Amino acid sequence: NAGVTQTPKFQVLKTGQSMTLQCAQDMNHEYMSWYRQDPGMGLRLIHYSVGAGITDQGEVPNGYNVSRSTTEDFPLRLLSAAPSQTSVYFCASSDDRRSYNEQFFGPGTRLTVL
Amino acid sequence: GNSVTQMEGPVTLSEEAFLTINCTYTATGYPSLFWYVQYPGEGLQLLLKATKADDKGSNKGFEATYRKETTSFHLEKGSVQVSDSAVYFCALRFMDTGRRALTFGSGTRLQVQP
Repeated sequence: NAGVTQTPKFQVLKTGQSMTLQCAQDMNHEYMSWYRQDPGMGLRLIHYSVGAGITDQGEVPNGYNVSRSTTEDFPLRLLSAAPSQTSVYFCASSDDRRSYNEQFFGPGTRLTVL
Repeated sequence: GNSVTQMEGPVTLSEEAFLTINCTYTATGYPSLFWYVQYPGEGLQLLLKATKADDKGSNKGFEATYRKETTSFHLEKGSVQVSDSAVYFCALRFMDTGRRALTFGSGTRLQVQP
């Protein structure tokens, strides 16, 4: 298994540009989520999904959209990038059908918005 | 709401020293508790977990005990190595809510010197 994969690893955008951060998992996990990591603030939840076709907002959803058309993929879209969205983005997944509820994280995407 | 508080870093130790990283939480109910580790340039990996009061999680020489009475989950290791240098995150998670996301502390950077 590849686990959770994310692309790209690095990205530089100009203010106002849009882009999609890709996330995929091959573990058949129902639950997937996106976090952003900022210095001194830990990780904060952006959006999450409990299964294909179901998404919901997390703690900091403004400026981001998600969709979940398949179990495997959970892309994060930045509609109009702003410098405040400069961050490291992590995708995570877990199999919540079992009581063992570890979340598996991807390697991250480092985004800089100029 | 739920929150996790960790001691601020960086924590700088010499090799073979004893490590304690404090973690306390605020939550309504009894969450599962986790320690994640992030090595430079990588995503988060689960280090250990505990799912109920008095449980002790352990892995790679690290230990943490779920203390309900003090709402704490302090991370300890008897003898640190240079390879333990990383950022450590304490986190909690509830499984009986729709969100089911991890709530993270701000992270503690550990630097181990030879």
